[in-house]
Order: sequence, then C-alpha cells, then structure tokens
Amino acid sequence: DTGVSQDPRHKITKRGQNVTFRCDPISEHNRLYWYRQTLGQGPEFLTYFQNEAQLEKSRLLSDRFSAERPKGSFSTLEIQRTEQGDSAMYLCASTGPLPNSNTQYFGPGTRLTVL
Amino acid sequence: AQTVTQSQPEMSVQEAETVTLSCTYDTSESDYYLFWYKQPPSRQMILVIRQEAYKQQNATENRFSVNFQKAAKSFSLKISDSQLGDAAMYFCAYGDNTNAGKSTFGDGTTLTVKP
Repeated sequence: DTGVSQDPRHKITKRGQNVTFRCDPISEHNRLYWYRQTLGQGPEFLTYFQNEAQLEKSRLLSDRFSAERPKGSFSTLEIQRTEQGDSAMYLCASTGPLPNSNTQYFGPGTRLTVL
Repeated sequence: AQTVTQSQPEMSVQEAETVTLSCTYDTSESDYYLFWYKQPPSRQMILVIRQEAYKQQNATENRFSVNFQKAAKSFSLKISDSQLGDAAMYFCAYGDNTNAGKSTFGDGTTLTVKP
C-alpha cells in the first residue's frame, strides 16, 4: 500500500492554458474524490467516482473542468482555459471497502498557480 | 446541505498541556460520520480520528479524543500532552453515509505548540 499519489505536485501555467492532473488511488479503493482547497480554507468537494462512473459533480465544477477515471483505476482532472481564480491546491482522496469505507485517504495534492 | 463551522481560526498550547478545538455542524441526517484531519504545513492531510454518529461512546486515539454531542451537533477534539509535532492546521469534517460518502470541511484551526 503506497497511499494516494498525485502528479504533478506543482504546476505553474499562464492564463488560458489547459492543465491536467493525475491521481492514483490506493489500489483496492473503488471510490475516488476530487477536492479544491484555497488558502486559509478547508477542502471543497468537486466530484467523485465509483469505479469508472462519475456519480456526482459539484456546482463548483464549471464546464471548463472535466474529470475521468478510465477503467476505474487512476483519475485525471483537466482544466481548460485556466483563469487566475483556478489557482488552488487540488486534492484527491480515495475510500475503500468496509469497515472504514467512509474514511477518505488523501494524496499530497497538486498546487496550481495561474499567472 | 451540511455545514461545518470551526470558530477558532487559531489556537496555541504549551508543550505537554491539553488543548481543545471546537467544531459544530448542521445536518438533517441521523446517520453520518465525523472526522478530524491534520494538515501540517505543505504536507499531506491525514486522519486523526473518526466518529460514527450512531455510536454514543466518544472515539479516542492515543492522545486524541473527541467530545461528540449529537443533540447539540458539536464535535470537539481534545489533544492531551501536546507535542511540537502536533502543530498543524486541523480540519473538522462531516461525512455523509450515502453512496457518495463525500466530506464537508470546516475552514480549519491553526494550532501552534509552544516549547
């Protein structure tokens, strides 16, 4: 068990560019979550997957954001036409089978800076 | 929608002393989970302790314990014998018990431990 990993850890981009982040959950975990955390605030839910199905999306997830989880393994989060307001830490978390299926294990996050 | 409020943006404690971090939440559900997470500066968020709402007994994990008052919707964290390594941002989180299982976070409390 190597934990949840995310790549890259840091991304600096210019406004208007597209960026893609990757999350690898703990191997046996079937649920995967994306959160966004801005400075001085707690994480805010963006979307979640059960296996390969995206089952819920927050209203925070504008149409510039898209997430996928092909084959129910790793997940990607893409932001198109980035804006300065997208600057934040993007956290991925996964949960596994009972008895602790509601405990989320977080990755280290990807810090995005949009110039 | 559920909300989580942490009314103490910052707290400090002397090493070896005890400190209590406050958290209140709002929900209309009867079955849910509550969590405290620790996020050291520039490091990964890790679970400190979790509480199932259907359990009356307060959860404990070594030096960490909670005071769960379901009727009052209060969920405080007590850290005993504080150590320098306890310095971090602490987030209280509400976890729903549906298939989504997503979490709603408070805005955090920054804990400083003084030697």
